[in-house]
Amino acid sequence: EAGVVQSPRYKIIEKKQPVAFWCNPISGHNTLYWYLQNLGQGPELLIRYENEEAVDDSQLPKDRFSAERLKGVDSTLKIQPAELGDSAVYLCASSLTGLDTEAFFGQGTRLTVV
Amino acid sequence: AQSVTQPDIHITVSEGASLELRCNYSYGATPYLFWYVQSPGQGLQLLLKYFSGDTLVQGIKGFEAEFKRSQSSFNLRKPSVHWSDAAEYFCAVRTGGFKTIFGAGTRLFVKA
Repeated sequence: EAGVVQSPRYKIIEKKQPVAFWCNPISGHNTLYWYLQNLGQGPELLIRYENEEAVDDSQLPKDRFSAERLKGVDSTLKIQPAELGDSAVYLCASSLTGLDTEAFFGQGTRLTVV
Repeated sequence: AQSVTQPDIHITVSEGASLELRCNYSYGATPYLFWYVQSPGQGLQLLLKYFSGDTLVQGIKGFEAEFKRSQSSFNLRKPSVHWSDAAEYFCAVRTGGFKTIFGAGTRLFVKA
């Protein structure tokens, strides 16, 4: 079975341009996460979905970041406009619902803003 | 506030030597604890987890970790390191609010 699939793997854009990342979670996983990983740091949660509902978006910079999870499956994370400081790896993860479940991570999208 | 501390930014061990990576957490209740490994350009892979029960947990690739409540620690160990173990290792704690907090990571270098 396929794991969490993310695309693109790499993206280079100029500042002030928009960018979007796509994530396809593991089939049957109701919970989906988007994490931001800066160089030399651990992942930090941006948003968590339970099915279609964003249940924790407290760390999402809503002035420029947006996310959606249509039909409770695939998800898209968007940045508009991008800033130099947004250069990082954006990780998507999914899990079954519950505290005692493990999250499975995609390979991430490495964003470079120039 | 909840937090995870990995005191060692990087560690170098010789192939075949034993390994211990340190992790301390701050959380008032019983935590759910994880160790993940990340190879360059890859996502995170779960090595092992602790939810309850036996405080010594076994994981994949020969890794184990011990939960010590009195020390708020969850150190990762491996008796004999292989060159393929070179990677970044992250300790994480999940709180009752479903928030998973990661440490800053420890990069492991393995020398021949």
